[in-house]
Amino acid sequence: EIVMTQSPATLSVSPGERATLSCRASQSVSDNLAWYQQKPGQTPRLLIYGASTRASGVPARFSGSGSGTEFTLTISSLQSEDFAVYYCQQYTNWPPMYTFGQGTKLEIK
Amino acid sequence: QVQLVESGGGVVQPGRSLRLSCEASGFTFSAYAMHWVRQAPGKGLEWVAVTSYDGRDKYYAESVKGRFTVSRDNSKNTLFLEMNSLRAEDTAVYYCARDISGWYGVHEYWGQGTPVTVSS
Repeated sequence: EIVMTQSPATLSVSPGERATLSCRASQSVSDNLAWYQQKPGQTPRLLIYGASTRASGVPARFSGSGSGTEFTLTISSLQSEDFAVYYCQQYTNWPPMYTFGQGTKLEIK
Repeated sequence: QVQLVESGGGVVQPGRSLRLSCEASGFTFSAYAMHWVRQAPGKGLEWVAVTSYDGRDKYYAESVKGRFTVSRDNSKNTLFLEMNSLRAEDTAVYYCARDISGWYGVHEYWGQGTPVTVSS
């Protein structure tokens, strides 16, 4: 099983500032990496797939980068609605054994 | 618009069974792989199972293999998850999710989830 490790567990950032979230895979997943956002009491929302492709309707302030085992989600200028938990997920396995990271909570500083 | 509506959750005793359903609308259901993902209270996301667009191929997380069965009825645009030999650690909100394109492994659309509590 590919283990996904996110850091930090909690990130405190002020509105308007940049946030950088990290995700590491225990072995290479190429660019088969997605990011999801989940607000309290809500369903997860797909933000990024293919490591760097924004999903439909996702604002340009969200960007993803990386390949292999190291990935980053950057939010360029935090808005109030961006404070949430973010999960990375790999989807490279065959047969499928998709795995999520444990999440990073982005909170208001 | 794409809609996924889960049902069938509830409180069940350990060792018993439960069947979840997910009714889909707003897209061609038979063209997409469909997934089940769960989230234990206060915890992160865990992928549970996937079925191919035609239901012929099915894969499971190790934690549920041999106990859970995913299936679909394309004539009724409905996805199912049959859960047997339930354990306390299966307590979670269960989401169905549509793949982003055919079978890619990315969960583009999610239902609102149905809660399952396994407790005596």
